[in-house]
Amino acid sequence: AQTVTQSQPEMSVQEAETVTLSCTYDTSENNYYLFWYKQPPSRQMILVIRQEAYKQQNATENRFSVNFQKAAKSFSLKISDSQLGDTAMYFCAFMKPWGGGGTSYGKLTFGQGTILTVHP
Amino acid sequence: AAGVIQSPRHLIKEKRETATLKCYPIPRHDTVYWYQQGPGQDPQFLISFYEKMQSDKGSIPDRFSAQQFSDYHSELNMSSLELGDSALYFCASSLRGLAGDKAHEQYFGPGTRLTVT
Repeated sequence: AQTVTQSQPEMSVQEAETVTLSCTYDTSENNYYLFWYKQPPSRQMILVIRQEAYKQQNATENRFSVNFQKAAKSFSLKISDSQLGDTAMYFCAFMKPWGGGGTSYGKLTFGQGTILTVHP
Repeated sequence: AAGVIQSPRHLIKEKRETATLKCYPIPRHDTVYWYQQGPGQDPQFLISFYEKMQSDKGSIPDRFSAQQFSDYHSELNMSSLELGDSALYFCASSLRGLAGDKAHEQYFGPGTRLTVT
């Protein structure tokens, strides 16, 4: 079974600064996907960014980028130019892609979450 | 763009009652996932459906059942409700039939907040 660990329960950052959220995972799979989801106070789950394990290049979406270290099983999220609207709970998630047969394909396994507060 | 729709948004039930949660996936999406998020916890996978067939099953109690209908909407039926069932229930959808990496992205609905008293 896969496990996802977020060791930072809470983080804070000043507006316009950069912050990095950490995530580690444990798996014996070679092919998988990693995601970061944002959950603001509204409780809506919003997809932030996706990383494919077979790609060495780190994913980037506007102000959001990841540092994916496959050998170390590490997947951190960097938020640049932090904005007040970035205040939210951030979840790291692991997924085995479907198509390989067996079970547990396609479901997301989440970490415990990191509460990020952006201060003005 | 159209998003995942869940109804009702809020539901209050008493112990031992039944509840039905509904999910309408993004148009053309063929896969539906159900997750349960308890207070202060991360979402936990319950069950998923692809093309109206159960695809995978997680930590879903035997008191719960779910199905996906011909129009791809899904319903989660919960019976003999317990206080511990109080949680936020998310439905997510994806388009498994889409080629490429985006097929693995799941998009979440706003959730149904179930309170059992």
